[in-house]
Amino acid sequence: GENVEQHPSTLSVQEGDSAVIKCTYSDSASNYFPWYKQELGKRPQLIIDIRSNVGEKKDQRIAVTLNKTAKHFSLHITETQPEDSAVYFCAASLGWGSARQLTFGSGTQLTVLP
Amino acid sequence: DAGVIQSPRHEVTEMGQEVTLRCKPISGHDYLFWYRQTMMRGLELLIYFNNNVPIDDSGMPEDRFSAKMPNASFSTLKIQPSEPRDSAVYFCASSTGSGANVLTFGAGSRLTVL
Repeated sequence: GENVEQHPSTLSVQEGDSAVIKCTYSDSASNYFPWYKQELGKRPQLIIDIRSNVGEKKDQRIAVTLNKTAKHFSLHITETQPEDSAVYFCAASLGWGSARQLTFGSGTQLTVLP
Repeated sequence: DAGVIQSPRHEVTEMGQEVTLRCKPISGHDYLFWYRQTMMRGLELLIYFNNNVPIDDSGMPEDRFSAKMPNASFSTLKIQPSEPRDSAVYFCASSTGSGANVLTFGAGSRLTVL
């Protein structure tokens, strides 16, 4: 089955700096890559996603890039703010519209230092 | 819509006791998922339903775990007998099963087995 590896497991940045979280996946058939944010004691929530027919997607301060050849994708957060502090999970799906095959990475604890 | 509703939010029980966790998915969502979250293993998919029918229960750790979905608006996850290693946060999530298939998570049920 699909295997998703996520790095780093913890990341500390100064407020205003950028943060990058990287994930690799094993199955070249995966075609949907969402990112979820989980604040302390809260539920995971989708923040951005990308399909395999797109190389990059941006939404204000966050962006995701995908390299299908290398089978890796990354989350980029610019101008970080304290409210960005959370655990971020990447995920990969073998089928667009098929959440059953959604495999999560192990998570990255991002801390934005004031 | 009030989102995915889970109960109880917190459960403390003693080893050997039966635990029942409950979930009400978002109306109109035809997929329901049960996830378990621990520090060691991250987010693990236990089981998922499509139109009230269990599709994949390969993530259920052992026979002590069972899940049901008697109708489109209610699901239960039961652990009998419970063990300390079952201590975790259990999330229920639902989705429409089409397009991006975004998972909407409930607030989670934090289970502590003493």
